[in-house]
Amino acid sequence: DGGITQSPKYLFRKEGQNVTLSCEQNLNHDAMYWYRQDPGQGLRLIYYSQIVNDFQKGDIAEGYSVSREKKESFPLTVTSAQKNPTAFYLCASSRPGGTEAFFGQGTRLTVV
Amino acid sequence: GENVEQHPSTLSVQEGDSAVIKCTYSDSASNYFPWYKQELGKGPQLIIDIRSNVGEKKDQRIAVTLNKTAKHFSLHITETQPEDSAVYFCAASLSGTASKLTFGTGTRLQVTL
Repeated sequence: DGGITQSPKYLFRKEGQNVTLSCEQNLNHDAMYWYRQDPGQGLRLIYYSQIVNDFQKGDIAEGYSVSREKKESFPLTVTSAQKNPTAFYLCASSRPGGTEAFFGQGTRLTVV
Repeated sequence: GENVEQHPSTLSVQEGDSAVIKCTYSDSASNYFPWYKQELGKGPQLIIDIRSNVGEKKDQRIAVTLNKTAKHFSLHITETQPEDSAVYFCAASLSGTASKLTFGTGTRLQVTL
């Protein structure tokens, strides 16, 4: 089945440690996105990539980094500079010029 | 940048009743307005969308209306069923595509028997 796979589903890290969230898609989509979801705040865009080896900051990029070395992969690193990293992270993809974003099932990150 | 407000934050209806969720947007240049449904433990899924050159769109029990002058759009669900229980997000796009969507804060809909 085609889709987006995020792993792991739950992730725990100690404060001050960097952590990388995985996102893989087999939909052959060029565009990929990372959103952060917090209670009562909806989904906020962290980073997006329209094509391999290119990405742009979204609305809340501070404390995060990404890479796009392969079309099917768009990992997100939550660095120790992110002040409030505990959240639900969603990865999505879309066709070029497409109107539908296809989401993964998310990774819940808890930093203690 | 674009700002999208969504109301109510929670909504409880009895099975068979209608549900209405409302959103307003700030940037008059936004031209594409999708609605996503998020079931528990899953990622959001597109259920219906509307472009700025259309006033209303319907798909079976769900419909979306758009008032460009007032900069607001609404989701209408008729004959609600328990499987409609979920969190619903509205969004707005300046690009006309899924690129750089600005989402509302979500509405938790509970359909009771």
